[in-house]
Amino acid sequence: EVQLVQSGAEVKKPGEPLKISCKYSGYDFTNFWIDWVRQTPGKGLEWVGIIYPGDSDTRYSPSFQGQVTISVDKSINTAYLQWSSLRASDSGIYYCARPITGAWFDPWGQGTLVTVSS
Amino acid sequence: QSVLTQPPSASGTPGQRVTISCSGSSSNIGNYAVNWYQQFPGTAPKLLIYTNDQRPSGVPDRFSGSKSGTSASLAISGLQSEDEADYFCAAWDEGLNGPVFGGGTKLTVL
Repeated sequence: EVQLVQSGAEVKKPGEPLKISCKYSGYDFTNFWIDWVRQTPGKGLEWVGIIYPGDSDTRYSPSFQGQVTISVDKSINTAYLQWSSLRASDSGIYYCARPITGAWFDPWGQGTLVTVSS
Repeated sequence: QSVLTQPPSASGTPGQRVTISCSGSSSNIGNYAVNWYQQFPGTAPKLLIYTNDQRPSGVPDRFSGSKSGTSASLAISGLQSEDEADYFCAAWDEGLNGPVFGGGTKLTVL
């Protein structure tokens, strides 16, 4: 069974760094891209970016370019999303998801709630 | 605010048929496949319909999808109480060079 298991909820203060993870199992990690998607009450679902674990080719949505870094550790089948300095506007639920093609995602991780508040 | 436009809410009584619309443009729905996701409170979205009208294994045939031009629709027939959830549409967008989503439709079973 293909599974994406994400790290737990985080509560941080503005300016703090953060790295959340998404661990794969059940398929060849290096042959599929992985997307990150944010969900917030105000803006709904937004695409953050995508990485290809095989060669770490990474692309970002213009809205998130320069604000986050997506990476991968092939040795432990894990993708990461990180911030060097969080802002309150980074709060939301972040999902990793495996794209089959285009906007066809299956499966999704269970989500990581990130709360940034002073 | 979302790129794809969905009605914020829909409702129906058990046994009824309801449809949820998703409107986009030529840069997304007009040229790319539409996918639908079902999300229950506190859980991740789950694939419901892919490539406009295909159901993954395990999804009841009460759920169906269609696309015409720059719009798509999700239909749920024989509505059941367990269908009460949020439904999102998604498609690739060539301007973004990434996926875009609808704002979601909250389905209430009366």
